[in-house]
Amino acid sequence: QQQVKQSPQSLIVQKGGISIINCAYENTAFDYFPWYQQFPGKGPALLIAIRPDVSEKKEGRFTISFNKSAKQFSLHIMDSQPGDSATYFCAASTRSSNTGKLIFGQGTTLQVKP
Amino acid sequence: SQTIHQWPATLVQPVGSPLSLECTVEGTSNPNLYWYRQAAGRGLQLLFYSVGIGQISSEVPQNLSASRPQDRQFILSSKKLLLSDSGFYLCAWSKRGGPPETQYFGPGTRLLVL
Repeated sequence: QQQVKQSPQSLIVQKGGISIINCAYENTAFDYFPWYQQFPGKGPALLIAIRPDVSEKKEGRFTISFNKSAKQFSLHIMDSQPGDSATYFCAASTRSSNTGKLIFGQGTTLQVKP
Repeated sequence: SQTIHQWPATLVQPVGSPLSLECTVEGTSNPNLYWYRQAAGRGLQLLFYSVGIGQISSEVPQNLSASRPQDRQFILSSKKLLLSDSGFYLCAWSKRGGPPETQYFGPGTRLLVL
């Protein structure tokens, strides 16, 4: 019940295309859903996050869509660029927890071809 | 601003040797601290987390241990390394005492056990 399932494992998109990564969870206590971006040899960095009181959040070319009833959320990268090539992790947590623990998905390696 | 440091950046150790990886955080106090391991091409596995000095929680049984001798210092150790301990080790921190929101990751230590 603590898992966050992420798909696909890898994704190849042409420059200018839309990249879509999906995540699903079971624990209804989760109330914070961030996405992290990791470049090779670097630590992950927060990209965008959403709380379940909204169904969509957009920051530039990055959009999170959230479906509370289906317990699913997804990351959309519009106009994908070669510089977006990285590994993306979805995550979930319970904000009321004082531990700050995040449950991470397995990661998606995105390659954007020029 | 807050900064998180990890060292060393890269480490090659023989099987059976001891290990000590250090993580320090600057610019904040009373952080939650985390150690993750990332195997090649794999997701983020939470190893330990700490909500205060001397308070360590282990997430998975393993050959490693963690200590927090000071508020902003987190150390990952092993008495005898195994081949399976190879990986990319990431330290992270989050704000304690309020909504945890975001984890901030360090640059990581790449460990190769031969």
